[in-house]
Amino acid sequence: DAKTTQPPSMDCAEGRAANLPCNHSTISGNEYVYWYRQIHSQGPQYIIHGLKNNETNEMASLIITEDRKSSTLILPHATLRDTAVYYCIVKGGSNYKLTFGKGTLLTVNP
Amino acid sequence: NAGVTQTPKFRVLKTGQSMTLLCAQDMNHEYMYWYRQDPGMGLRLIHYSVGEGTTAKGEVPDGYNVSRLKKQNFLLGLESAAPSQTSVYFCASRDLAGGRSAQYFGPGTRLLVL
Repeated sequence: DAKTTQPPSMDCAEGRAANLPCNHSTISGNEYVYWYRQIHSQGPQYIIHGLKNNETNEMASLIITEDRKSSTLILPHATLRDTAVYYCIVKGGSNYKLTFGKGTLLTVNP
Repeated sequence: NAGVTQTPKFRVLKTGQSMTLLCAQDMNHEYMYWYRQDPGMGLRLIHYSVGEGTTAKGEVPDGYNVSRLKKQNFLLGLESAAPSQTSVYFCASRDLAGGRSAQYFGPGTRLLVL
């Protein structure tokens, strides 16, 4: 699976959009981009995933660049409860497991 | 629909004791996984199963055994616990809808081995 690079930490004001970047320059054609988050002491929570088109669900939007070498997770109106570590993971369809890196600690401030 | 549940939530063991962690899912998922999470290490895959009656080793399988006798349950066993197995254990499951389906995690089991 392709390696990902994320900033170690980010801050966001409550009510504003949080934009979390991820670089995955070695991604291959059949690999998906997944985003998970882990709120302190809880199990990881699936957020969204995509292949090459932008995706949106009730939690977030995922923007993938045309060359697929980077992506951005957007939380449109961040709340204090969105404070968590966010993981960007690239995984091929034939690979069973997810490989979690260190992720980005997003702190939403009042 | 409870999703993925784990039993127990917390346990303290003495070195050499044995125990079994239970993971249950009610989503009819084919695949199930056991991970451990240590401070600064991220999640590491211990064992996984691609269906009832099957198991396979992950990244860090030593010291653990697993069984998948029923589709909805995945058991993780520690035959002789060691302090190095102090960790938070997470179970996950996903369905068979191609490799692109997401994994759903349980709330975790915190294990302390003295």
